[in-house]
Amino acid sequence: DAKTTQPPSMDCAEGRAANLPCNHSTISGNEYVYWYRQIHSQGPQYIIHGLKNNETNEMASLIITEDRKSSTLILPHATLRDTAVYYCIVRVGGRGSTLGRLYFGRGTQLTVWP
Amino acid sequence: SAVISQKPSRDICQRGTSLTIQCQVDSQVTMMFWYRQQPGQSLTLIATANQGSEATYESGFVIDKFPISRPNLTFSTLTVSNMSPEDSSIYLCSVSGTSGSRGTDTQYFGPGTRLTVL
Repeated sequence: DAKTTQPPSMDCAEGRAANLPCNHSTISGNEYVYWYRQIHSQGPQYIIHGLKNNETNEMASLIITEDRKSSTLILPHATLRDTAVYYCIVRVGGRGSTLGRLYFGRGTQLTVWP
Repeated sequence: SAVISQKPSRDICQRGTSLTIQCQVDSQVTMMFWYRQQPGQSLTLIATANQGSEATYESGFVIDKFPISRPNLTFSTLTVSNMSPEDSSIYLCSVSGTSGSRGTDTQYFGPGTRLTVL
């Protein structure tokens, strides 16, 4: 069951930062925050994940509040190719068979306009 | 990240028939999963494909309808049995993989199989 709340849609101008919020007020201590995106008709693409510290990679930054009840995915310079549905998911962390299951909610449709 | 391929990429089938979807990974993985995405909907987890034992199904999915095989650590199949138009969906294979040293695996998805049942 999805344990996150996301706005159904957002838009952003090309070249600007896209900030996608996610609420996960019931997150447990052993649950990580994961972000995926799905460009139309393709398989979901992993973006980033974190536990409590902010994370950054070549695609995005993840900002997690100190109480871990919400987070924000930041695409620093959005392009038209970033138009997609973005999913925020919480799951129990682990390796191999101890890894929790990934359950998808409705996500946020991000539209980047020229 | 793992490279995942699925066959077929798409198919059109008649109701009452069955289709087997193959998932191949380029490296050994511990966990493999099958998802379904109905038109206009989000992804729904069907089952976890376990190597050497029966798959673990999510609520609402049963082995008779979606038999799964996992003969080794790089391959799995999902069969959609006795199909009806309601089975028209994208079926996606997913595998767990290591992501750096941050104490938890992540998960990667294949390109999907688009199934249309007439």
